[in-house]
Amino acid sequence: GEDVEQSLFLSVREGDSSVINCTYTDSSSTYLYWYKQEPGAGLQLLTYIFSNMDMKQDQRLTVLLNKKDKHLSLRIADTQTGDSAIYFCAEISGGFQKLVFGTGTRLLVSP
Amino acid sequence: DTAVSQTPKYLVTQMGNDKSIKCEQNLGHDTMYWYKQDSKKFLKIMFSYNNKELIINETVPNRFSPKSPDKAHLNLHINSLELGDSAVYFCASSPQGDTQYFGPGTRLTVL
Repeated sequence: GEDVEQSLFLSVREGDSSVINCTYTDSSSTYLYWYKQEPGAGLQLLTYIFSNMDMKQDQRLTVLLNKKDKHLSLRIADTQTGDSAIYFCAEISGGFQKLVFGTGTRLLVSP
Repeated sequence: DTAVSQTPKYLVTQMGNDKSIKCEQNLGHDTMYWYKQDSKKFLKIMFSYNNKELIINETVPNRFSPKSPDKAHLNLHINSLELGDSAVYFCASSPQGDTQYFGPGTRLTVL
């Protein structure tokens, strides 16, 4: 079945690193994604990783993928107050390429 | 030059009414989607169209009817609105099987 899990909340201080974790179930997923949703706003694509990669770095963002454990993480270096948002991981599932989203992690960055 | 646009942004209506939400993408993508985000921020796919053909229908009540007049548009019509239909509805598009880009969302409130 499809079940993508994330912890619900994360609170960090400005300047610290944030790590948001996600576990997924579909081992055939070709891509895994991270989306950001600010209050009252839409979904912004942050980054993605192809399933044959272990790591992808994009400026302050680092994505780690452990296919064996079906575990995905997003590390945000030097977290800023503007990073406060809900972060969703998502996997591509099935032949019709639908996105299955995690429950979302609400990141709160305090000054 | 918005990539994926939705109208209206907010929609407040009475139970039992019929309403439509429009979505347009100017990215030249083949595939379009509708997702529903409930009050707990959980996101779930509703429909997907590829080149104007329905390819995903995720057990959505038949009061919801998507319509794709052309490849760049996917509208969502909802009959006999119920309280439980209150949510944020997101449209997305992608090149076939590739990364999905989301619209800003339409917040539907049914009174």
